[in-house]
Amino acid sequence: GAVVSQHPSWVICKSGTSVKIECRSLDFQATTMFWYRQFPKQSLMLMATSNEGSKATYEQGVEKDKFLINHASLTLSTLTVTSAHPEDSSFYICSAPDVYGYTFGSGTRLTVV
Amino acid sequence: QQPVQSPQAVILREGEDAVINCSSSKALYSVHWYRQKHGEAPVFLMILLKGGEQKGHDKISASFNEKKQQSSLYLTASQLSYSGTYFCGTEYAAGNKLTFGGGTRVLVKP
Repeated sequence: GAVVSQHPSWVICKSGTSVKIECRSLDFQATTMFWYRQFPKQSLMLMATSNEGSKATYEQGVEKDKFLINHASLTLSTLTVTSAHPEDSSFYICSAPDVYGYTFGSGTRLTVV
Repeated sequence: QQPVQSPQAVILREGEDAVINCSSSKALYSVHWYRQKHGEAPVFLMILLKGGEQKGHDKISASFNEKKQQSSLYLTASQLSYSGTYFCGTEYAAGNKLTFGGGTRVLVKP
């Protein structure tokens, strides 16, 4: 089946630094990638949708200058959390539509200290 | 718009059954069901498309009532491994995006 590889699986960073999360589709072309954020004991909330070759679409309330999304190729989408703060600590997960439905990455647990 | 899931939590004894519901106020194209264990990514269970259908995998099955815009997930003869949080994800058009419900925590006890 389709696989989306997400890295890193966890990261601890200092407040004020930036963190990049990568999602790669391994055996299919992902023209679209959805980025979700999940706080403890809560649901997955869609942050933004990235499309290869065009600007990302952000959901209401998500700061596009803070969460930079780049969809550099048909197999790679990245999310950069800029000037991270403790309140950005969360589980970030990407998802790409494929012939079966949607394939999720394994998630990245970000802790900002 | 986020679909509404119910119940929020359920505790079962091994071998018991449970039903989890997912309702939408908008017309749905599809409903996706996932199970998430603590600290892990969601695991895909099944997808149901509009037109009303039922699907099953082992002792977990689901139905989609297009008239009511509601899907139900059935856990039959529950096993300890069924514990986790179940999410429904709704899609209003093919490949559009998945919007997740609030989740249902399931705990299966021996």
